[in-house]
Amino acid sequence: GAVVSQHPSWVICKSGTSVKIECRSLDFQATTMFWYRQFPKQSLMLMATSNEGSKATYEQGVEKDKFLINHASLTLSTLTVTSAHPEDSSFYICSAPKAGNSGANVLTFGAGSRLTVL
Amino acid sequence: LAKTTQPISMDSYEGQEVNITCSHNNIATNDYITWYQQFPSQGPRFIIQGYKTKVTNEVASLFIPADRKSSTLSLPRVSLSDTAVYYCLVVNTDKLIFGTGTRLQVFP
Repeated sequence: GAVVSQHPSWVICKSGTSVKIECRSLDFQATTMFWYRQFPKQSLMLMATSNEGSKATYEQGVEKDKFLINHASLTLSTLTVTSAHPEDSSFYICSAPKAGNSGANVLTFGAGSRLTVL
Repeated sequence: LAKTTQPISMDSYEGQEVNITCSHNNIATNDYITWYQQFPSQGPRFIIQGYKTKVTNEVASLFIPADRKSSTLSLPRVSLSDTAVYYCLVVNTDKLIFGTGTRLQVFP
């Protein structure tokens, strides 16, 4: 089956520092990956679409200079939270699509990365 | 993207069948209906996907009426470990927009 690995699973950093989160598709290639953010007791919010070899597409309200996305290979996308502040503390989840049995793509999600900014 | 509406929460007891219904009145011809399960502090996990009628796998069944404006996820004989949030999504592209989900609590 499709497996998406995310690292680190949790990270604590000081305000003003940058944090990089990696998302890897382990047994399939992903030209596209998606990054979500989830606050406690809330649903997932799509942040951006990561495209291999080209610029990411950001959802409305998401600062592209704040959340840098790089998709340098068919199996790796990275999200860098630059100059992190306490309000950036959240659960970040990546996902990649793969063909499902029904005919439409199915998203496989990573385990998530919990960021705490002090 | 079709908007979905599902109950915010549901309670059940172990061994019971749980049916979670999702409304998607604006579903498009090419949209598929997909359900995900999420445990706390984990990424969502795919449960089942369908286009019409009934789909069954080892985990659940998905019932979709002819007009496709709603769908029902059926979990047979739930256990405590089925306590989670269940999301219904309709999509014909890769980008998935999550709704509020249904928080299922299973009691002993």
